[in-house]
Amino acid sequence: EAGVAQSPRYKIIEKRQSVAFWCNPISGHATLYWYQQILGQGPKLLIQFQNNGVVDDSQLPKDRFSAERLKGVDSTLKIQPAKLEDSAVYLCASSSGLAREQYFGPGTRLTVT
Amino acid sequence: QKEVEQNSGPLSVPEGAIASLNCTYSDRGSQSFFWYRQYSGKSPELIMFIYSNGDKEDGRFTAQLNKASQYVSLLIRDSQPSDSATYLCAVNGNFNKFYFGSGTKLNVKP
Repeated sequence: EAGVAQSPRYKIIEKRQSVAFWCNPISGHATLYWYQQILGQGPKLLIQFQNNGVVDDSQLPKDRFSAERLKGVDSTLKIQPAKLEDSAVYLCASSSGLAREQYFGPGTRLTVT
Repeated sequence: QKEVEQNSGPLSVPEGAIASLNCTYSDRGSQSFFWYRQYSGKSPELIMFIYSNGDKEDGRFTAQLNKASQYVSLLIRDSQPSDSATYLCAVNGNFNKFYFGSGTKLNVKP
């Protein structure tokens, strides 16, 4: 069974530029999560989807971050414009249902200069 | 108060010993509890999950849950140098909100 796929693996941009990350969950997983992990900290949930609906986006900085999961399968996370403090690893995870165990993709390491 | 608290460590144990990792949480409505292992530069990897009070064993790993004390722990028996990593506790609370602790760094010395 294929795991969670993410791309790109690394991205370097200048502040005020925009960037997009892509995630394809494990086949059949209805729930998809985006996390931000800053070095030395635990993952922080940005947004949670159940199929193509948003379950929780309370910690998503909506003035600059957006995410969508139009067909209930893959998802994109966008940052526009980026700030220096957005430098982090962006992790995508999926699970078979709400409150179930999550499986993580390899992450995208973003550096904002 | 953070939703999930862990001692950042590092916790150092000799090879072959038992490593005990602890986690407390604030949301009394939490229903699901998870332990993840994260090697440096890698993404979190699921080790155990537990939903009911008591112990759950899987190989060298035992997860323990005490909902009354809002406490969950992970025991690693016969610790190996390859177990050296950061261990993350995660909790699914009310309204299906997921919270991760900041992790405990474990060093297993040969």
